[in-house]
Amino acid sequence: GAGVSQTPSNKVTEKGKYVELRCDPISGHTALYWYRQSLGQGPEFLIYFQGTGAADDSGLPNDRFFAVRPEGSVSTLKIQRTERGDSAVYLCASSTTGTGLDEQFFGPGTRLTVL
Amino acid sequence: GESVGLHLPTLSVQEGDNSIINCAYSNSASDYFIWYKQESGKGPQFIIDIRSNMDKRQGQRVTVLLNKTVKHLSLQIAATQPGDSAVYFCADLGGGSQGNLIFGKGTKLSVKP
Repeated sequence: GAGVSQTPSNKVTEKGKYVELRCDPISGHTALYWYRQSLGQGPEFLIYFQGTGAADDSGLPNDRFFAVRPEGSVSTLKIQRTERGDSAVYLCASSTTGTGLDEQFFGPGTRLTVL
Repeated sequence: GESVGLHLPTLSVQEGDNSIINCAYSNSASDYFIWYKQESGKGPQFIIDIRSNMDKRQGQRVTVLLNKTVKHLSLQIAATQPGDSAVYFCADLGGGSQGNLIFGKGTKLSVKP
């Protein structure tokens, strides 16, 4: 079956611009997660959705970052006034129930480069 | 603060040998650990998990050992194959919320033919 998909696969933008990154989770998965992975590092948690609501957004670095999941399926991570330090791979994952003990399935990521 | 880290950044093994990848964690309240494999250009892929009420769990060619006394986790890969070449991360669900995985930096495993 189809896994988690993310678009675009690569995004190059200029400092100060606005970007949107999209995640299509596995069909039927209740929970959706966003992580950010810098070069040579492990993924860092950003935000986690249960259905349409953000159950935990403690990992969002500042108010330039925002994520939505209006219908409980597709999610969009939005970054305003991008900075060079935002350059990273943004990973999305989904899981069946989001209890914490169910497997998180990761997408291939979106590589964001801020010039 | 809380951290999950790895002892060695790189590991090179001969094809057919066994590989051991280590991980240390600092949060004694952590109760669930996962090993992920990440190939270049791909997202992390679940390998095996273990809960804190266990000290060993086996999968296909992989074994995870948990030593709660010294807060140490290891992943053993038997008969390592070229397809095992990747970066391996341990992760901890001790972040305080369901789904908030805390990842270590990773160990890059290279398998020599």
